[in-house]
Formats: sequence, structure tokens, C-alpha cells
Amino acid sequence: QLQLMESGPGLVKPSETLSLTCTVTDGSISSSSYFWGWIRQPPGKGLQWIGSLYYSGSTYYNPSLKSRVSISVDTSNNHLSLKLSSVTAADTAVYYCVGYFDWSSFDNWGQGTLVAVSS
Amino acid sequence: QSALTQPASVSGSPGQSITISCTGTSSDVGSFNLVSWYQQHPGKAPKVIIYEVTKRPSGVSNRFSGSKSGNTASLTISGLQGEDEADYYCCSYAGENTVVFGGGTKLTVL
Repeated sequence: QLQLMESGPGLVKPSETLSLTCTVTDGSISSSSYFWGWIRQPPGKGLQWIGSLYYSGSTYYNPSLKSRVSISVDTSNNHLSLKLSSVTAADTAVYYCVGYFDWSSFDNWGQGTLVAVSS
Repeated sequence: QSALTQPASVSGSPGQSITISCTGTSSDVGSFNLVSWYQQHPGKAPKVIIYEVTKRPSGVSNRFSGSKSGNTASLTISGLQGEDEADYYCCSYAGENTVVFGGGTKLTVL
């Protein structure tokens, strides 16, 4: 069973860039026909898809975040990365890393990591 | 791309059945049979319980079932149990490699 674990700073200052890493174990991030992505959940609120990356390298982003988001992979370390620029308090959330075969469902989730945006 | 609409809360007694609706548009729920449902207990990551509108992943109780009519998808939980108390989210493919979630529904087992 694929294991995903998010890591990164728990506190980011407003206007700075949020950077998170997802480490994939018991599987290869280079696996063919597989998607990797990020989903977030503000405290007490619902889920929001941030974006995804296909194993081929193609990326897809939520239109509402597209101008500030970048998702990439580091195949040598089996890592997925998320960068979200110009953050505000509205970006405070638990950020989940996900892995899935197709758009039918998000099969594998990390445990999530809370990132607060505050000065 | 707007969030799918779910009731904020539903409740039921043990043994009863409840249904949670998820209303989208002709651009998402109405166009694709790619609706999934997630169960989330407090402090935990979501878990998929229904995919492709009606299918259950291995290990998910057959008390959970899904359906769709037009732009509205539904999740039904029969034989309510205390462990079903959780938040439930629907999600639909919205075309061009994007998805949209519902706002979530809190299920209370009375």
C-alpha cells in the first residue's frame, strides 16, 4: 500500500511562498499512469483541490489558484513538491498529498500537515 | 468553477437510513459519471467510500451506496451505526483535468 507523508514549515509569513514536500514510500513516484496531487482544508471548512501532476510531467491546477501554484516531482528522492506564492491568512489549512490512478477518485492520502499563515 | 452544494448537516438514529445530496451543474456532475464520496473522521484524512457514482472500494461496507440523477448525486447510508458519524464530501470531475468538491455534510448519529 502506497504511503504518503507531507512535510514542511508549519508557519509561513504573509506574502511569502509556502513550500511543502510529500515523500512517497512503498511505491515509485515515477509509476506510469499515476497522478499525484495536493488538496487542502482550512480549519473547520471543506476540501479544495489545489492541483495535480501526471507521471508524464503534465500539471493541472485549480483555476482559482493557478497563478500562484506550482507542483513538481523529484524522482531521485521520490518527492512531490508544492509551492504556493503570495500567501495570505486564507491559505491557512491542512495540506494533503494524494496519489491516484485516474479522476474517478483520490485513492491514497497522506496524513496532512497544518500550515498557518501569520506574521 | 463553483463548489458542489451539499446540506451542511444531516442526522439519523441507529438503524435508520439517511441520504446526502450533492448538487452540481451540467459541467460537472451532470456531464461525467466520475462522482466520488469521502468520509472524514475528526483529525483524520478523508477516505474514499464511493467512486464512479455507484462503486465501492474493497473493504467499504455495502451499507454505503451512491446514485446520480441529472446534476445531483446522492450518498445513502443504511443501517446507521455510531461509527458512521463523520463529515462526508462529494467530488466530481469537472473536465479539463480538474475536479470540484462539495462543501461537506456533517452526519450526526442520534
